[in-house]
Amino acid sequence: EPEVTQTPSHQVTQMGQEVILRCVPISNHLYFYWYRQILGQKVEFLVSFYNNEISEKSEIFDDQFSVERPDGSNFTLKIRSTKLEDSAMYFCASSESAGSMGTEAFFGQGTRLTVV
Amino acid sequence: QKEVEQNSGPLSVPEGAIASLNCTYSDRGSQSFFWYRQYSGKSPELIMFIYSNGDKEDGRFTAQLNKASQYVSLLIRDSQPSDSATYLCAVHILTGGGNKLTFGTGTQLKVEL
Repeated sequence: EPEVTQTPSHQVTQMGQEVILRCVPISNHLYFYWYRQILGQKVEFLVSFYNNEISEKSEIFDDQFSVERPDGSNFTLKIRSTKLEDSAMYFCASSESAGSMGTEAFFGQGTRLTVV
Repeated sequence: QKEVEQNSGPLSVPEGAIASLNCTYSDRGSQSFFWYRQYSGKSPELIMFIYSNGDKEDGRFTAQLNKASQYVSLLIRDSQPSDSATYLCAVHILTGGGNKLTFGTGTQLKVEL
């Protein structure tokens, strides 16, 4: 069964450093997302991406964050100048469409980011 | 503020019983509704989705949607200890350019032997 894959599974970084989280969405999906979940809190939307551009972003997704699809398969989230409060589980997801049907989003296994 | 509300639980049910999980949402523009299961430390796993008012059954799971009451529920029949997890309700609103899910905080379900 096709699945979303994320690397690394766990990333430890020092405060102020840049990190890149990587994702390979399901191959026939057109919409890609990043969500995050701080320990003990709910899953929060960060950004959606379609046709090589951001289609929507949340208030969390400020200038510290950027996304890119560098090739035909990878989708990355870059976090610049990491802060302690960026420590969270980051989930990549993908879906076939954004219409009234086919919007089911499938999540990767997540990257646990720890900023020290 | 578009909200999705769930009772955090824990909801405890005996093995073999029916577990009933509830969710309300505030935005009447919500169009698609999803139930995800999340084991501790793991990612959300899609178990059900529903788009139209009424019931939708898939195996031991039934999703129920009432758009007039802005209410969606998940029933789990013949609950098993392996069903013990946090169940996340998520709502999708179709927007012009974007596409995102708004999640509730989740209901922790414990199925006891």
